[in-house]
Amino acid sequence: NAGVTQTPKFRILKIGQSMTLQCTQDMNHNYMYWYRQDPGMGLKLIYYSVGAGITDKGEVPNGYNVSRSTTEDFPLRLELAAPSQTSVYFCAGGGRNTGELFFGEGSRLTVL
Amino acid sequence: DAKTTQPPSMDCAEGRAANLPCNHSTISGNEYVYWYRQIHSQGPQYIIHGLKNNETNEMASLIITEDRKSSTLILPHATLRDTAVYYCIVRGGGADGLTFGKGTHLIIQP
Repeated sequence: NAGVTQTPKFRILKIGQSMTLQCTQDMNHNYMYWYRQDPGMGLKLIYYSVGAGITDKGEVPNGYNVSRSTTEDFPLRLELAAPSQTSVYFCAGGGRNTGELFFGEGSRLTVL
Repeated sequence: DAKTTQPPSMDCAEGRAANLPCNHSTISGNEYVYWYRQIHSQGPQYIIHGLKNNETNEMASLIITEDRKSSTLILPHATLRDTAVYYCIVRGGGADGLTFGKGTHLIIQP
């Protein structure tokens, strides 16, 4: 199993550009999450999903959108990128009612 | 979810036991204590969790006080590869993920 796979690993965007961070998992997780981590800080939850077709906002959803058309994929869309979105983004998956999450390796995004 | 308090940093000599404390004085009866670690900006890695009994696995031991207001993660024989940020997280049920604080930066000294 590859686990949770994120692409791209690194990306530089210009202000106002849009992009999608991809996340796919092969562990049949029902629950999937997107977090961001700013330097020296803990992770903050952006969006999460409890299953295909169901998504919900986390702590910091502004400027982002997600979709969950399949169990395996949970892409994160950035519209009109801003410097404040410079961060490392982590996708994670987990089973129902468990706090044991499996994280991807992260996607480092810089907005200039 | 209840708030946790951890020291910002700790040192430990290689080969010794690393004991990482966590306070969670507002924990409620149905909330579990989870520990994760993050090595050098990699994705966080699950270590262990418990409700009220002590727990042990191949990575670590978790000691929870009887009143459940604090816990200690023990790495029995620390190695240089255990240098990481360790997060103590209290979580009840629900689907809304985990709340990460700043954690404890554990540095293993050779």
